[in-house]
Amino acid sequence: GIQVEQSPPDLILQEGANSTLRCNFSDSVNNLQWFHQNPWGQLINLFYIPSGTKQNGRLSATTVATERYSLLYISSSQTTDSGVYFCAVMEYGNKLVFGAGTILRVKS
Amino acid sequence: DGGITQSPKYLFRKEGQNVTLSCEQNLNHDAMYWYRQDPGQGLRLIYYSQIVNDFQKGDIAEGYSVSREKKESFPLTVTSAQKNPTAFYLCASSLGLAALSSYNEQFFGPGTRLTVL
Repeated sequence: GIQVEQSPPDLILQEGANSTLRCNFSDSVNNLQWFHQNPWGQLINLFYIPSGTKQNGRLSATTVATERYSLLYISSSQTTDSGVYFCAVMEYGNKLVFGAGTILRVKS
Repeated sequence: DGGITQSPKYLFRKEGQNVTLSCEQNLNHDAMYWYRQDPGQGLRLIYYSQIVNDFQKGDIAEGYSVSREKKESFPLTVTSAQKNPTAFYLCASSLGLAALSSYNEQFFGPGTRLTVL
């Protein structure tokens, strides 16, 4: 099956700093989603981005499907951005395959 | 408010008991999913259903069972055959199965933390 790798596994930022999270996948996909898991476990949808670039406030994402990677940009980070960021790609039957996540800690 | 609800939030079970986790959605979505998350890991698919009265096994279906009698509901039963049931269980839904559209985008409920004592 498809493999999804996220990097870095851990990231510590000072409040106000920018960061880039990467997601590599091993095969072509029809769907790619980015999620933020908050400390209570809730998965929050950030982007549905099978290709191209999208922006939502301080967050933006780019997926280059032909090169099998996606990037999530966080600008001017805030302590509320802390948590785990997951990339997930869709296999057959609408099955989402998740990466192991990037743990982000933003310090004030 | 439209959304996905899961209950209970926390569940404790003795070894050898079956337990059922509830998942309800009022988004009028056709497809529903169950995932399991272990500490420090991503989510893995247990079962999914694309339409009422139909469901398919995911990667880790052994020891679990589901039903889909109503469009809004997709309960998961963790049976005594599941060897390591302690985990965080998340339910999700999506509009449908169109392969090349945002109908695939999945939305998640708040989860149920199951602990086997």
